[in-house]
Amino acid sequence: GDSVTQMEGPVTLSEEAFLTINCTYTATGYPSLFWYVQYPGEGLQLLLKATKADDKGSNKGFEATYRKETTSFHLEKGSVQVSDSAVYFCGAKTSYDKVIFGPGTSLSVIP
Amino acid sequence: DAGVIQSPRHEVTEMGQEVTLRCKPISGHDYLFWYRQTMMRGLELLIYFNNNVPIDDSGMPEDRFSAKMPNASFSTLKIQPSEPRDSAVYFCASSPDPSGGGELFFGEGSRLTVL
Repeated sequence: GDSVTQMEGPVTLSEEAFLTINCTYTATGYPSLFWYVQYPGEGLQLLLKATKADDKGSNKGFEATYRKETTSFHLEKGSVQVSDSAVYFCGAKTSYDKVIFGPGTSLSVIP
Repeated sequence: DAGVIQSPRHEVTEMGQEVTLRCKPISGHDYLFWYRQTMMRGLELLIYFNNNVPIDDSGMPEDRFSAKMPNASFSTLKIQPSEPRDSAVYFCASSPDPSGGGELFFGEGSRLTVL
């Protein structure tokens, strides 16, 4: 069945370090792909999205490129800040508008 | 708009009791999703509705769980009887249309603890 896999956390980085969180998907066709972020005690909120192959989503310094050939949508940021500490979820909209998520990756950024 | 509203925010109950979680989606959104979040299993899709009709409930863990959407502005997720392993944060999310990458808008969640 359809699924989303992402790297397990937790991830701990120093401020200004480079961030990569890997995400791959299994789905029929070409799903739309998302990254959502969850801050402590809150619901998820959309960070960025891409709706077709080779699209790049970007927001707040984060980027992810839809790679059809590798079925991947890795999240990157060149220089993380303490305020980026959160849980990041990779998601996919599969057939019949079903939206599923990976298990989440917890990121802690230390000064 | 007030966003997606969930209630209660916190619920503590004893095993065997009935639990009802409530959700008010954003007005005009045709899709409503219920998710469960736990440390062990991450964020699981339980069920989702389109125009008040359940489309896929394959994620509902067992018959103890049921969900309804009697109208466009209200949905409930019921657990009867509840068990300790049901302890989790339950999220409701709505969307105008996920097609083409439509955004999901999440509520703040209902944290359920079953003793």
